[in-house]
Amino acid sequence: DGGITQSPKYLFRKEGQNVTLSCEQNLNHDAMYWYRQDPGQGLRLIYYSQIVNDFQKGDIAEGYSVSREKKESFPLTVTSAQKNPTAFYLCASSNPQGLNYGYTFGSGTRLTVV
Amino acid sequence: AQSVTQLDSQVPVFEEAPVELRCNYSSSVSVYLFWYVQYPNQGLQLLLKYLSGSTLVKGINGFEAEFNKSQTSFHLRKPSVHISDTAEYFCAVSTGGFKTIFGAGTRLFVKA
Repeated sequence: DGGITQSPKYLFRKEGQNVTLSCEQNLNHDAMYWYRQDPGQGLRLIYYSQIVNDFQKGDIAEGYSVSREKKESFPLTVTSAQKNPTAFYLCASSNPQGLNYGYTFGSGTRLTVV
Repeated sequence: AQSVTQLDSQVPVFEEAPVELRCNYSSSVSVYLFWYVQYPNQGLQLLLKYLSGSTLVKGINGFEAEFNKSQTSFHLRKPSVHISDTAEYFCAVSTGGFKTIFGAGTRLFVKA
């Protein structure tokens, strides 16, 4: 079945550490996204990528980095510069050609700073 | 710029009762509208979408929504809810580009 796989499901980070969240899709979607979800705040866009080797900052990109070397993969690194990284992170993809028919989401990664 | 307002943060309702989750949006151009559902510790799942055509849109799990352009609303309804409908629901708007704006979410609690 086609879909998006996020790993790990739970991740613990020590102060000062960088951690990388994995996102893989087999839907043949060109566009991929990373969202951060905090209670009562909905989803906030971190980064998005319309095509391989290209990505743009979203609304809260500070302290995060991404890469898009393959169509299927869009990993997110939470760096030590992100001062409050505890949150639920969601990866999504969408149909290309600039027309948004809705997103397909992964099951999320819950990151906790210890 | 677009924005989305979900008017209720929490909606408690008894099982088999009808429910309406309210969503208003603002945009200076034509929009595409979506409702997503999120169960605890899971990703979001697309419930239904309005792209064009009929203003009454039917989705999965018996949900439907009506696009009202004059009131800039896209309220979600279900005539009879089940315990299993307990979840968080998100309204979202897009202008057809690569970005979608999400509302803050409405928690639906279905009580026995």
